[in-house]
Amino acid sequence: AQSVTQLDSQVPVFEEAPVELRCNYSSSVSVYLFWYVQYPNQGLQLLLKYLSGSTLVKGINGFEAEFNKSQTSFHLRKPSVHISDTAEYFCAVSDWGGSYIPTFGRGTSLIVHP
Amino acid sequence: SQTIHQWPATLVQPVGSPLSLECTVEGTSNPNLYWYRQAAGRGLQLLFYSVGIGQISSEVPQNLSASRPQDRQFILSSKKLLLSDSGFYLCAWKDRKYGYTFGSGTRLTVV
Repeated sequence: AQSVTQLDSQVPVFEEAPVELRCNYSSSVSVYLFWYVQYPNQGLQLLLKYLSGSTLVKGINGFEAEFNKSQTSFHLRKPSVHISDTAEYFCAVSDWGGSYIPTFGRGTSLIVHP
Repeated sequence: SQTIHQWPATLVQPVGSPLSLECTVEGTSNPNLYWYRQAAGRGLQLLFYSVGIGQISSEVPQNLSASRPQDRQFILSSKKLLLSDSGFYLCAWKDRKYGYTFGSGTRLTVV
């Protein structure tokens, strides 16, 4: 079984400041990792994913995430946020060789203040 | 290109009424399809998934059901809605690169 923990339910930050949204996972097998963004009353949009290879993954909208196997983490970062980045962010994990059904974290609400 | 459609976008239904939410996918064949529910302030809960026509797996026992009458159609139903069924319902399909594409969601309010 796999699980995902997003340590912060809400992250307030000022515009143009850097931000890190934390995600830790647990799994008994190797995993794929994802970050999704959800704007109000919309579906989820894939930001980035880690399948294999380089542990630093770059996604859309200037976001990146680093897979750290020893710490079982996949934190999402952006060096300078914009007001438009205000949204809910979900980390997800799915295991190799199984049904690949992702397990989602509870989400982190990123609030960017002017 | 592959797209996923969900409707309706919003729905207000009285307690005890039936429910039918529809999801269709275009531009792919034999997709794996999923129904998730997102309750206020909570994460996404997987309700059902389907790997083919007529094949439904239920993750959480409840008064909801799902059906897959056609390859690219996935329907979420209920015979009698409860207040606790309120939430944001999302349909998704798994593409070949192990990403999940989500529909725009249906906001269901049971009153």
